[in-house]
Amino acid sequence: GQNIDQPTEMTATEGAIVQINCTYQTSGFNGLFWYQQHAGEAPTFLSYNVLDGLEEKGRFSSFLSRSKGYSYLLLKELQMKDSASYLCAVRDSNYQLIWGAGTKLIIKP
Amino acid sequence: IAGITQAPTSQILAAGRRMTLRCTQDMRHNAMYWYRQDLGLGLRLIHYSNTAGTTGKGEVPDGYSVSRANTDDFPLTLASAVPSQTSVYFCASSDGGENTEAFFGQGTRLTVV
Repeated sequence: GQNIDQPTEMTATEGAIVQINCTYQTSGFNGLFWYQQHAGEAPTFLSYNVLDGLEEKGRFSSFLSRSKGYSYLLLKELQMKDSASYLCAVRDSNYQLIWGAGTKLIIKP
Repeated sequence: IAGITQAPTSQILAAGRRMTLRCTQDMRHNAMYWYRQDLGLGLRLIHYSNTAGTTGKGEVPDGYSVSRANTDDFPLTLASAVPSQTSVYFCASSDGGENTEAFFGQGTRLTVV
């Protein structure tokens, strides 16, 4: 079967750095996405990786290792508004997105 | 309309009733999707449409039907609602390209009692 694993919940301090991991086992791979979802709102796109390596976009970076079936989302200089769930999704061989359950990130002052 | 819009925002529905969730996008995206999101689970694909006039079944299609008569609209119908269909439903669209993300509607919170 297809599976995306992420930690259920993480806590970090304002101003710090946090890394959210995602491991996947899917039938084929055609890219990995990270989305942010605030409570009661729709998911919004953060990043896309299809090749190995690090993609940086402001305070957020995303890393991919296809051989290990592994990605992480790195958030720097954490702000209170970063409190949200972070969803990892892999596009499989049928070009359908398989979603992880999400990681709830709690930021403390 | 800007982006992708769902209606209603929330609904309480008696079991056995028929219900259509509406979804409209103005981005001229080819692909559209319906997901349900339940606590502790990832988004699960119900049905999808890669282009107007075509639809396909996702991971959890039973009890749901869709149609795609034109590019903009992608309604989801529950023929006879059951309590297990209580969930938050998200409609999404994308232009179907290699690295293009999906854009989501604001969601419909449905409670079947």
